[in-house]
Amino acid sequence: GAVVSQHPSRVICKSGTSVKIECRSLDFQATTMFWYRQFPKQSLMLMATSNEGSKATYEQGVEKDKFLINHASLTLSTLTVTSAHPEDSSFYICSAISGETYEQYFGPGTRLTVT
Amino acid sequence: DAKTTQPTSMDCAEGRAANLPCNHSTISGNEYVYWYRQIHSQGPQYIIHGLKNNETNEMASLIITEDRKSSTLILPHATLRDTAVYYCIVRVRGSSNTGKLIFGQGTTLQVKP
Repeated sequence: GAVVSQHPSRVICKSGTSVKIECRSLDFQATTMFWYRQFPKQSLMLMATSNEGSKATYEQGVEKDKFLINHASLTLSTLTVTSAHPEDSSFYICSAISGETYEQYFGPGTRLTVT
Repeated sequence: DAKTTQPTSMDCAEGRAANLPCNHSTISGNEYVYWYRQIHSQGPQYIIHGLKNNETNEMASLIITEDRKSSTLILPHATLRDTAVYYCIVRVRGSSNTGKLIFGQGTTLQVKP
């Protein structure tokens, strides 16, 4: 099956710094990728839709200037959490839609801890 | 996308079939029923999907009622590794942007020895 990777799997950063998370589709091209956030004991919350070569579409209530998304190629999308604060600590998960099958595949997630 | 309703939690004995129900009474004609599961601290894993016919793969079976307002995911012989949160989602397939997956609270399945 199609594989989506995320890097890093875990990251700890200090409050006020920025952190970048990468999402890659390893064996397929993804015209669309999605970014989710999941707090403990809660469901996944969609943050934004990322389309290759265009600006991301953010869900209501998600700050686009805080969560910068770049989808520079058909296999890579990045999420940068700017000026991170402890409340940004969460599990960030990306997914990608295969341009051939239209099915959506998820990455393993990135655990962000802001101290 | 239409909303779905699932029980919050279920228990199942190891080796028995696990039947997870889902209601999607407002599903549209072009929306598919998808099932994913999430094991603790991992990304969601695709299980199965269907439009109106029953479907079976190596992981599970999906039974969709004739009116398509509800469905049941069946894990035929549950093992301890099937303990996870199971999400039932309806989604338009074939269109990237409108095909986004909106997750509800899901059903926490606990398989017990």
